[in-house]
Amino acid sequence: EPEVTQTPSHQVTQMGQEVILRCVPISNHLYFYWYRQILGQKVEFLVSFYNNEISEKSEIFDDQFSVERPDGSNFTLKIRSTKLEDSAMYFCASGRQDSGGSGNTIYFGEGSWLTVV
Amino acid sequence: SQQGEEDPQALSIQEGENATMNCSYKTSINNLQWYRQNSGRGLVHLILIRSNEREKHSGRLRVTLDTSKKSSSLLITASRAADTASYFCATSYSGGYNKLIFGAGTRLAVHP
Repeated sequence: EPEVTQTPSHQVTQMGQEVILRCVPISNHLYFYWYRQILGQKVEFLVSFYNNEISEKSEIFDDQFSVERPDGSNFTLKIRSTKLEDSAMYFCASGRQDSGGSGNTIYFGEGSWLTVV
Repeated sequence: SQQGEEDPQALSIQEGENATMNCSYKTSINNLQWYRQNSGRGLVHLILIRSNEREKHSGRLRVTLDTSKKSSSLLITASRAADTASYFCATSYSGGYNKLIFGAGTRLAVHP
């Protein structure tokens, strides 16, 4: 069964450093997302990406964050200057084209644990 | 806010018993999806139910949707210790590029 893959599974970084989290979405999917989950809290939407541009972003997704789809397979999340409060599990997700207007299953990767020290 | 909220927050049962988790949301939706998360792991998709559907089954899982009450339930029948996990509902609404809004989740513990 196709799956969303994420790397690294765990990264420890110094505060102020740049971090890039990588994702390979499911190959025939067109919608891509990043979510995060701070330890013990709910899963929060960060950004959605469709047709090579950001389609929606949350308040969390400020100027420190950026996303890219540098080629046909990868989807990356960059945090320019990490803060302690960026420590969280970051999930990449993808979904197929919505053909019926009622949405489609969104598949999540295993996540990347980011610890900022 | 369109957030889904689950109850109970935590549920502890014995193997073989049924587990029912509920989810409520605030605005009109396209669909509602249930996910399972084992501790520290990724989100595993369980079931998607569309706004024009009332009930769906998948193996030991049964999901209902009541759009008039803006609520959904997930029933796990004949639970097993391996079902121990957190369960989240997530709602998707029209115009949201299929963005999902998650509830806080129900922590289910199934004891052998």
